[in-house]
Amino acid sequence: SQQGEEDPQALSIQEGENATMNCSYKTSINNLQWYRQNSGRGLVHLILIRSNEREKHSGRLRVTLDTSKKSSSLLITASRAADTASYFCATDNTGGFKTIFGAGTRLFVKA
Amino acid sequence: NAGVMQNPRHLVRRRGQEARLRCSPMKGHSHVYWYRQLPEEGLKFMVYLQKENIIDESGMPKERFSAEFPKEGPSILRIQQVVRGDSAAYFCASSPPNEGNEQFFGPGTRLTVL
Repeated sequence: SQQGEEDPQALSIQEGENATMNCSYKTSINNLQWYRQNSGRGLVHLILIRSNEREKHSGRLRVTLDTSKKSSSLLITASRAADTASYFCATDNTGGFKTIFGAGTRLFVKA
Repeated sequence: NAGVMQNPRHLVRRRGQEARLRCSPMKGHSHVYWYRQLPEEGLKFMVYLQKENIIDESGMPKERFSAEFPKEGPSILRIQQVVRGDSAAYFCASSPPNEGNEQFFGPGTRLTVL
């Protein structure tokens, strides 16, 4: 299975609510990244958290990293309809060059 | 500074033809990555290149697929004798020289094999 696996696979919420997505991975990492992909478009980098960091904020985004559990979460606060997209986590593993992506969480924010 | 450029955006090929996908990294970026995304799936790493060097091609099928990043010009992902299963979106990303930097993605090329 893939290194990064997001959970849930799909999430539907009302505008204004918070959305939480989780990502689990298997091996040691240098960093973990979250990306957004709007339907039919390329990926947009949201936030990168390094292995020695536990939490990071960027606007309405909050990312946590627990290396002991090999998991990360992405929280989007006060969601908007424009946040509707697929969200992917990706990991850069120690000793490797490639970035490995999970299958993504599809977020649908209803206006 | 223009972002990562990929062309064509859409490519239709018949089985057995060749597909050439181009990627121009952002200015100053010397690392290029290619990913494939099948419908309803995440991205899968294919190959990582620096100028004139293939660093890691462990995600690329051994046959029919090749990639290059010449000293001058864009990176090229080449698929020979395409089959229907090659239909996917192919994304290119670039990053600056230091390892661990974020990758910037292009808009992707959607390949359809008839």
